[in-house]
Amino acid sequence: NAGVTQTPKFRILKIGQSMTLQCTQDMNHNYMYWYRQDPGMGLKLIYYSVGAGITDKGEVPNGYNVSRSTTEDFPLRLELAAPSQTSVYFCASSRPFAQGAIIYGYTFGSGTRLTVV
Amino acid sequence: DAKTTQPPSMDCAEGRAANLPCNHSTISGNEYVYWYRQIHSQGPQYIIHGLKNNETNEMASLIITEDRKSSTLILPHATLRDTAVYYCIVRVAGGAGNMLTFGGGTRLMVKP
Repeated sequence: NAGVTQTPKFRILKIGQSMTLQCTQDMNHNYMYWYRQDPGMGLKLIYYSVGAGITDKGEVPNGYNVSRSTTEDFPLRLELAAPSQTSVYFCASSRPFAQGAIIYGYTFGSGTRLTVV
Repeated sequence: DAKTTQPPSMDCAEGRAANLPCNHSTISGNEYVYWYRQIHSQGPQYIIHGLKNNETNEMASLIITEDRKSSTLILPHATLRDTAVYYCIVRVAGGAGNMLTFGGGTRLMVKP
């Protein structure tokens, strides 16, 4: 049982470049999330999805886009990378509340460390 | 969701109990208390949650005051591997998307 898998683990981008951070989960969770974590800070929600075809903005969505075509995958797209997007990105998934999200909590991936230079 | 206040850092001797406090004085009746931890930039890990009653699992115990305005996470026998940032999160169960809002947390250093 792999849980939540994120790729790549590390990436260096030049200003203005684009990239997609991949996230896939094999737990059949409806809910998926993208967070970013700047050095020494807590996690901030970028986007979330409650199911295939449904996405919504979190606290810090500017400069990012997401899609959710399948239950398993929730990629995060950076279109024009900026130094302010240097951060560690975490993907997470959970069951909806009615299916036991409280009991099992979130499952997080191991993160993607992105540097924009 | 209610805001939480945690000390920025704490130390604990290996083998002793680590008691991590959290203040959530504006908590509502339908809000749960969750604890997560993050070990050295790994993804956060769920520890425990509670509503009113004290809770215990294989990782930790959660003590919630009777007025629910504060709680304490207890690691009964801290090991070096428990060195991490511990996040106390208060939020309504369910709701749109189940989102968790992370604050700064408490950086626990377990020392030999």
